[in-house]
Amino acid sequence: DAGVIQSPRHEVTEMGQEVTLRCKPISGHDYLFWYRQTMMRGLELLIYFNNNVPIDDSGMPEDRFSAKMPNASFSTLKIQPSEPRDSAVYFCASSLGPVYNEQFFGPGTRLTVL
Amino acid sequence: SQQGEEDPQALSIQEGENATMNCSYKTSINNLQWYRQNSGRGLVHLILIRSNEREKHSGRLRVTLDTSKKSSSLLITASRAADTASYFCATDKTGANNLFFGTGTRLTVIP
Repeated sequence: DAGVIQSPRHEVTEMGQEVTLRCKPISGHDYLFWYRQTMMRGLELLIYFNNNVPIDDSGMPEDRFSAKMPNASFSTLKIQPSEPRDSAVYFCASSLGPVYNEQFFGPGTRLTVL
Repeated sequence: SQQGEEDPQALSIQEGENATMNCSYKTSINNLQWYRQNSGRGLVHLILIRSNEREKHSGRLRVTLDTSKKSSSLLITASRAADTASYFCATDKTGANNLFFGTGTRLTVIP
């Protein structure tokens, strides 16, 4: 298995632009997680899905952020409009079980908003 | 606020030495996990210890958990240069859906 796949690996955009991050989880994993990592705040859980359904989005910072999982093999995290404070590394992870099971992380997308 | 905090923030040792990292957390947990993150990469799961376990081993890794002190330690024996990475503990707070990651310990193993 190729593991969790994320694209793009790097994204540089200007403030106000829409940004879409993509994730393909490991086949057969029922849970998908989106995290954000910054120096100031460390690693934060934004949202997670179970069987394509959002279970907990309490970590999503504000309405500018949205996430979807249209099928078991694809998820997107969208930021519209983007702001410089959104600059971070965004990770997608998947697992066979909920938050307390082993999670497999993708390589991350490094987002820079100018 | 983050559930876990690692100590020390940074650790530098010679190859072959043992490395010990500690994690403290604030509330009751079901499980505690340790992850490794190499620079520029995603996190990799190392080991999971359940709240009713006190010690667990995996290869050169030894994890202990003291729920009365709300703390855990990760010991890496006979360290190698390839162990250079950041190490994070992660806890699932009882009754919560979140997995809380600590602030991480940056380990440098000098060849």
